[in-house]
Amino acid sequence: EDKVVQSPLSLVVHEGDTVTLNCSYEVTNFRSLLWYKQEKKAPTFLFMLTSSGIEKKSGRLSSILDKKELFSILNITATQTGDSAVYLCAVGRWWRSSYKLIFGSGTRLLVRP
Amino acid sequence: KAGVTQTPRYLIKTRGQQVTLSCSPISGHRSVSWYQQTPGQGLQFLFEYFSETQRNKGNFPGRFSGRQFSNSRSEMNVSTLELGDSALYLCASSLGDLSGPDTQYFGPGTRLTVL
Repeated sequence: EDKVVQSPLSLVVHEGDTVTLNCSYEVTNFRSLLWYKQEKKAPTFLFMLTSSGIEKKSGRLSSILDKKELFSILNITATQTGDSAVYLCAVGRWWRSSYKLIFGSGTRLLVRP
Repeated sequence: KAGVTQTPRYLIKTRGQQVTLSCSPISGHRSVSWYQQTPGQGLQFLFEYFSETQRNKGNFPGRFSGRQFSNSRSEMNVSTLELGDSALYLCASSLGDLSGPDTQYFGPGTRLTVL
């Protein structure tokens, strides 16, 4: 059965710290791995990774995928209180005649001032 | 470009009733996927529509159904509501092009409470 596992489940840090969030997966017909940030309601898209070893970067956030070891990490440097959210990892796979996302349970990050 | 919109944002229903939720995708997007999010189960895939056709369905009972209109707007319906249907229902829109990986963009969700 397809599985996406995120760790840690929750994390409390202080502003300025660097955090690393982990996502491992066992998914057949892998096509992509996506990271989302969910604050109050809608998950907002952060990154999509399809190729191994290529880092995606956006400001203080970066992510990399290892397709051989089946995991991805999301790094946040110089954290700010506005980074407090649940971070969701999702793996996109071909399924039947389409493509669907399988989500992990999320990592809840709290950044204290 | 306007984002994904969902209506209503909040709903309170009682057991046995039915409910219809609506989703308008980003302009130009032809695929709409629906997800149920609960604290215990996380985000679970309900179904996906593309060009008015259901392309895929997750493991939910037949009480959950949906449809898509020619303008790509989608509705999902839940009949005979149960307490366990209380959840945040999210829709996500994407281009739906199967030639490559497809990024899904989420709407704000509809919070359904079943009493």
